[in-house]
Amino acid sequence: EVQLVESGGGLVQPGGSLRLSCAASGFTFSSYWMSWVRQAPGKGLEWVANIKQDGSEKYYVDSVKGRFTISRDNAKNSLYLQMNSLRAEDTAVYYCARGIYDPTGLAFDIWGQGTMVTVSS
Amino acid sequence: SYVLTQPPSVSVAPGKTARITCGGNNIGSKSVHWYQQKPGQAPVLVIYYDSDRPSGIPERFSGSNSGNTATLTISRVEAGDEADYYCQVWDSSSDHPVVFGGGTKLTVL
Repeated sequence: EVQLVESGGGLVQPGGSLRLSCAASGFTFSSYWMSWVRQAPGKGLEWVANIKQDGSEKYYVDSVKGRFTISRDNAKNSLYLQMNSLRAEDTAVYYCARGIYDPTGLAFDIWGQGTMVTVSS
Repeated sequence: SYVLTQPPSVSVAPGKTARITCGGNNIGSKSVHWYQQKPGQAPVLVIYYDSDRPSGIPERFSGSNSGNTATLTISRVEAGDEADYYCQVWDSSSDHPVVFGGGTKLTVL
């Protein structure tokens, strides 16, 4: 079964750090773009970051540039999101998503169940 | 940056056809993807590359894209289709290339 399982969420104080993980199974992880997408309580989906199959290309939404780092370990079938200098507005459910890509664009065909990050004092 | 505009809400009676639009500048030149999200659940891809359906998605779901508007059409709407729907594109000209629309709440009357 194709599956993505996120972990690492929790409560953190403003200015703190957190590292999210996403464990992939049931498919060849190294063949796919991977992404993080978040959803603040009661709000819509917001893309956070993408990473190419070999990690050679990474993209971030402006609001997290310089604070968040996306990475992957293809040997461990795992995706990560290192989040530093966290702010209240980073509070959200964070989803890991698999990307299917062709030259016209990227779609997310498999999603994890999400992990909640709460930034509050 | 590229902006996608969706109506906040659409209402439809059971058995009728729902159409959810996604507006963007020359969106017809891009590939549009659609996601369904029910309360408390992760999003599910229902249409990709404008009009393709992933396996397991009913034929009642279809998509089109032309000019400045992409449309998700749900035929013979069922109570179980009530959900939030999001469109998404890849803006290749941007260094933050993934864009989601604001979402549309589909209410089945």
